[in-house]
Amino acid sequence: DADVTQTPRNRITKTGKRIMLECSQTKGHDRMYWYRQDPGLGLRLIYYSFDVKDINKGEISDGYSVSRQAQAKFSLSLESAIPNQTALYFCATSVTGVGVGELFFGEGSRLTVL
Amino acid sequence: QQQVKQSPQSLIVQKGGISIINCAYENTAFDYFPWYQQFPGKGPALLIAIRPDVSEKKEGRFTISFNKSAKQFSLHIMDSQPGDSATYFCAPKPNSNYQLIWGAGTKLIIKP
Repeated sequence: DADVTQTPRNRITKTGKRIMLECSQTKGHDRMYWYRQDPGLGLRLIYYSFDVKDINKGEISDGYSVSRQAQAKFSLSLESAIPNQTALYFCATSVTGVGVGELFFGEGSRLTVL
Repeated sequence: QQQVKQSPQSLIVQKGGISIINCAYENTAFDYFPWYQQFPGKGPALLIAIRPDVSEKKEGRFTISFNKSAKQFSLHIMDSQPGDSATYFCAPKPNSNYQLIWGAGTKLIIKP
C-alpha cells in the first residue's frame, strides 16, 4: 500500500460544484502539503500544515480551503470549482525538522472542471 | 517571488549518453538545492540534493554540480538509461522561506 494515499485519483465535475480531495498517510509525518501541478509551471503550493493545529496558506490559496482532521489526514476543498482549477493535485508529507527535508508525494488526483 | 529557470524544457539523449539539466536562480539566499524525478502517473520523488557549502555531490550515476557565483545548479546523469526517462524538477528553497520554488520541469527521453 502507498504511504501517501490520495482519493479520488480522477474526478470530473462541473463549474460551481464543491469538491473535496482527501489525503491520508501512514508515514507518521507531522507535516503535510497540498500542491497543484500544471504543465509548464512546475508545482505550486496551495496550503501546508505543520501539525493538526497549524494551517498555512501557500502561494496560490485563493479558491481553496483545507482541513487537517488528524495527523494522518489532510483534505483540500474547492468550495465552488471553476475551469481554471483543472489540474493535477498532489498531497505530500515530510518529517519535522530543520528546513524542508524530503517531500513524499502521493500519486496525485486529476481534477477536471467543465 | 524568487524566480527559478529550468532548462531545457525537453531533452532526448541516446542510451549511454550524458543528460544535463540546468537550473538558474535569481536570488542568492537559497539554502537547499534538490532535484526531484517524476514518472508518468506518479508523484515526484527526491532524487538528489545539495547544500550550498558543497560544490558537487554524486550518488551513483547522478551528480549535482553547484555554481554559486553563476547562481546555477545542474543535474548530470551519466550512462543514461531508458529507465531514466522521466520529468525532472529543480526545487531550491530560499533560506527566508519554507516553500520550495519549483522549476517548470524537464522531460527527459532516453532512446534505446
